[in-house]
Amino acid sequence: GENVEQHPSTLSVQEGDSAVIKCTYSDSASNYFPWYKQELGKRPQLIIDIRSNVGEKKDQRIAVTLNKTAKHFSLHITETQPEDSAVYFCAASNGVTGGGNKLTFGTGTQLKVEL
Amino acid sequence: DGGITQSPKYLFRKEGQNVTLSCEQNLNHDAMYWYRQDPGQGLRLIYYSQIVNDFQKGDIAEGYSVSREKKESFPLTVTSAQKNPTAFYLCASTPYFSGANVLTFGAGSRLTVL
Repeated sequence: GENVEQHPSTLSVQEGDSAVIKCTYSDSASNYFPWYKQELGKRPQLIIDIRSNVGEKKDQRIAVTLNKTAKHFSLHITETQPEDSAVYFCAASNGVTGGGNKLTFGTGTQLKVEL
Repeated sequence: DGGITQSPKYLFRKEGQNVTLSCEQNLNHDAMYWYRQDPGQGLRLIYYSQIVNDFQKGDIAEGYSVSREKKESFPLTVTSAQKNPTAFYLCASTPYFSGANVLTFGAGSRLTVL
């Protein structure tokens, strides 16, 4: 089955700096890569996703890049703000080609944005 | 609250007891999922259901059971066979199982075994 590794487990940045979280996956059939954000005491929510036919996707301060050859994808947050402090999870599935929403999640990154 | 309601929010259990966690959705979603969240281990899939009266084991199904008798309901039973049941449990749903859909999560249930 799929295995997703996520690094780092904790990340501390100064407000205004950029943050990068990296994930690798093992199954070359995976084609859908979402990122979920979980604020303290709240439920996970999707912040951005990318499909394997795209190399990069951007939404305001958040971007995701995908390298299918190397089987890794990354989340980039620019101009970080205190409200970006949360746990971020990457995930992978082959849902685009009918494999369904059986996501395999990474172990999470605790991001702390310091004033 | 977000279309998925989980109850109870907190639950305490003595060893050897079965407990059932409730998950109800009013989103008219076909597919529902149960995840277990432990510190440093991310979200691990316990069971999922593609449609009513159907369910499949996920990656860590041992010691758990589910049912899907109604489209809106997907309860999870943590049995006494689950060796380490203390965890945070999240229920989720998607409109369909096929395709790449966004998971809508419930607020979670925290189970503590005394």
